[in-house]
Amino acid sequence: AQSVTQLGSHVSVSEGALVLLRCNYSSSVPPYLFWYVQYPNQGLQLLLKYTTGATLVKGINGFEAEFKKSETSFHLTKPSAHMSDAAEYFCAVSVQTGANNLFFGTGTRLTVIP
Amino acid sequence: GAGVSQSPSNKVTEKGKDVELRCDPISGHTALYWYRQSLGQGLEFLIYFQGNSAPDKSGLPSDRFSAERTGGSVSTLTIQRTQQEDSAVYLCASSLAGGLNEKLFFGSGTQLSVL
Repeated sequence: AQSVTQLGSHVSVSEGALVLLRCNYSSSVPPYLFWYVQYPNQGLQLLLKYTTGATLVKGINGFEAEFKKSETSFHLTKPSAHMSDAAEYFCAVSVQTGANNLFFGTGTRLTVIP
Repeated sequence: GAGVSQSPSNKVTEKGKDVELRCDPISGHTALYWYRQSLGQGLEFLIYFQGNSAPDKSGLPSDRFSAERTGGSVSTLTIQRTQQEDSAVYLCASSLAGGLNEKLFFGSGTQLSVL
């Protein structure tokens, strides 16, 4: 069975501090991995994705994530938080299991403290 | 349109009434998803349409929920005899072909409140 676990439903960081949002997945087959972001009063949009190749992927707004197969993780990081990063972040995994193949985590709400 | 369009943006209804939520995917996208977003629950998969294939209805929480997609484009999610626990944001998304590595484009959602 496939699942996605996001540790920490709420994360607070100071402006300028490192952002680390954790995502672990379980999958019996190699997955594709995604991070989506939902800014206040907006729809979800893709932040970045890992499909194949380089395990460190870069996304929009200075975010990046590293696929670590040995740890079944795909943590999202940003070196320096900005006030505009305050949003809800969702990790998702896509595997070939049948018709529906995309599974989302429960989300992490990021608060940036000035 | 340029993006995924959902209507209405807000819907308030009384318990026991039926509601219909509409989704207009991006033109040419063959895959369409419905999700439900509740506080603290993340995105709960409801139903998935891909082209002319039979939809994956495995996420529908009860037989009060149904969805259809006419002509491979517009989709309607219907909730019959609404209950208070149905209150949530209902999100629609589409992708070009439903491929494993494809980006989903989301609408802004319909906020459903059942009184």
